[in-house]
Amino acid sequence: DTGVSQNPRHKITKRGQNVTFRCDPISEHNRLYWYRQTLGQGPEFLTYFQNEAQLEKSRLLSDRFSAERPKGSFSTLEIQRTEQGDSAMYLCASSPRVGAEAFFGQGTRLTVV
Amino acid sequence: EDKVVQSPLSLVVHEGDTVTLNCSYEVTNFRSLLWYKQEKKAPTFLFMLTSSGIEKKSGRLSSILDKKELFSILNITATQTGDSAIYLCAPSNAGNMLTFGGGTRLMVKP
Repeated sequence: DTGVSQNPRHKITKRGQNVTFRCDPISEHNRLYWYRQTLGQGPEFLTYFQNEAQLEKSRLLSDRFSAERPKGSFSTLEIQRTEQGDSAMYLCASSPRVGAEAFFGQGTRLTVV
Repeated sequence: EDKVVQSPLSLVVHEGDTVTLNCSYEVTNFRSLLWYKQEKKAPTFLFMLTSSGIEKKSGRLSSILDKKELFSILNITATQTGDSAIYLCAPSNAGNMLTFGGGTRLMVKP
């Protein structure tokens, strides 16, 4: 296992389209996090899972955003009816337990045109 | 609302210089403070600090936390061009949720 894996690495989509990103965490990490990062800013928390349960969602996560982790392994983040303001790097991270450091994937860069 | 402020915003030094990066925070239910290095893509983990006054060290990098004054510093000695990156400070809360600062952009010139 080489770390957190995210796909795709880049996505260009037209405004109004739906997009879905996937994150495969490090094996046996039960906590999985999604963050969003725009240019010149630090990552902003979106949501996190402990196993398959979504425990917290940021108010940044509008109704157009939904995340799942159906079997407690990989996770998907879907954005419906994309807007130009959704253009950002979407980062996924995982950690083995509460209190442990989180390891990040390479991110999915989304561009909405 | 949780708040993290990093300073300076950016820094340009020459190889061999020593730098100190600052992070002040206000976070509800604080658990620990993490430092990450971000070059092109993913932030890579450097340190996690949970106790005040105990320095963590890794090669030329070291970091310390002050839980009373709510700040942390990251020191890099004998800087190299490979240290050029954005350094992110991120306190975590009881749920392990990280609140990131805006980062310090470090450029090390040969």
